Amino acid sequence: AQKVTQAQTEISVVEKEDVTLDCVYETRDTTYYLFWYKQPPSGELVFLIRRNSFDEQNEISGRYSWNFQKSTSSFNFTITASQVVDSAVYFCALSEAARDDKIIFGKGTRLHILP
Amino acid sequence: DAGVTQSPTHLIKTRGQQVTLRCSPKSGHDTVSWYQQALGQGPQFIFQYYEEEERQRGNFPDRFSGHQFPNYSSELNVNALLLGDSALYLCASSLGANRVAGYTFGSGTRLTVV
Repeated sequence: AQKVTQAQTEISVVEKEDVTLDCVYETRDTTYYLFWYKQPPSGELVFLIRRNSFDEQNEISGRYSWNFQKSTSSFNFTITASQVVDSAVYFCALSEAARDDKIIFGKGTRLHILP
Repeated sequence: DAGVTQSPTHLIKTRGQQVTLRCSPKSGHDTVSWYQQALGQGPQFIFQYYEEEERQRGNFPDRFSGHQFPNYSSELNVNALLLGDSALYLCASSLGANRVAGYTFGSGTRLTVV
């Protein structure tokens, strides 16, 4: 069965600290996509990254980095030198693209960056 | 270039009523998917429309129905509203075969059922 688990419901850190958001997924497929989305108070889901199951290379984009490990079925997201504008709810998500197009979301982690 | 536009932004309905939510996809996109996001939860897939037909459906009752128009815009209809239907309804658009990679979400319609 498809499942995405974000064990951290809420995290608070002081500005400029690094923070890692955890994501563990379950799937029976060998071909799948993993995503991270940011949801600010406005409600819109902002796409951050997509990873396919055949690409385990870690990625860095500015202050954001992602660690994909198939061996542990994890796709963790790290924000370096956090800023107040990073405060939002972050969702990890999975799509078994060989089956269908729907995206399965985790319950999200609410991140508070304190000034 | 406008992104995904949803209307209305907020809506209050009474239990038992019917509601229609609207979505205009991003320019150039032809596929529309709808998601329901209850408070404190992640979005859940309702259904997807492509070429004016329902292509996929999630685990939602028949009270939830939709439509896609020739201009690719879409409507989500919910009949016999229940209190549990209160949620943020998100529309996502994408283009053709690159649906999953190219999702663009709107800001949603917040529906409150009283």
